[in-house]
Amino acid sequence: NAGVMQNPRHLVRRRGQEARLRCSPMKGHSHVYWYRQLPEEGLKFMVYLQKENIIDESGMPKERFSAEFPKEGPSILRIQQVVRGDSAAYFCASSFGPTGETEAFFGQGTRLTVV
Amino acid sequence: AQSVTQLGSHVSVSEGALVLLRCNYSSSVPPYLFWYVQYPNQGLQLLLKYTTGATLVKGINGFEAEFKKSETSFHLTKPSAHMSDAAEYFCAVSEKDQFYFGTGTSLTVIP
Repeated sequence: NAGVMQNPRHLVRRRGQEARLRCSPMKGHSHVYWYRQLPEEGLKFMVYLQKENIIDESGMPKERFSAEFPKEGPSILRIQQVVRGDSAAYFCASSFGPTGETEAFFGQGTRLTVV
Repeated sequence: AQSVTQLGSHVSVSEGALVLLRCNYSSSVPPYLFWYVQYPNQGLQLLLKYTTGATLVKGINGFEAEFKKSETSFHLTKPSAHMSDAAEYFCAVSEKDQFYFGTGTSLTVIP
């Protein structure tokens, strides 16, 4: 059973371009979470999705950021018109059920660099 | 909303010495508590978790943590540090389908 797979591991974008980050949850997991880790900071919650539904996006910036988790395929975190401040590590986690007692498993992250 | 405080962003210990990483949380209800470890350029790996029951929780790699409700703390300990323990450690609280993470403690082990 493969773990949470994120790709690409490293992504470089010029200011103004779009960044697409992919996350394939563990087999059998239908709950996906995205977190952002800025340098020298902890992980900040961005969005919680179930298949085809956004459950909680309270941590998402209001503009340029969007996320989806379609019925088929990976979850996608999309950042439009990237700026230098978007440079960070983006982690995806998945769980079998809602977090609480259920452990969330993390991917290895995508490190986005905006130049 | 929850808040998680990790005292000491950097901790250094000698190899073989006690490791103590501190974590305090704010919660009005019994929380679910977790410690994760992050090695360089890696994702987060679960060390241990507290949900219910025994307040002393044992995890992987010889780590353990004790839930103290009166102190709202969940400190992580290991009796004897090993060089391979050098990593970033995150305390987290789970509530309403979100993990709330502390800012992390970077552990350095000195030979």
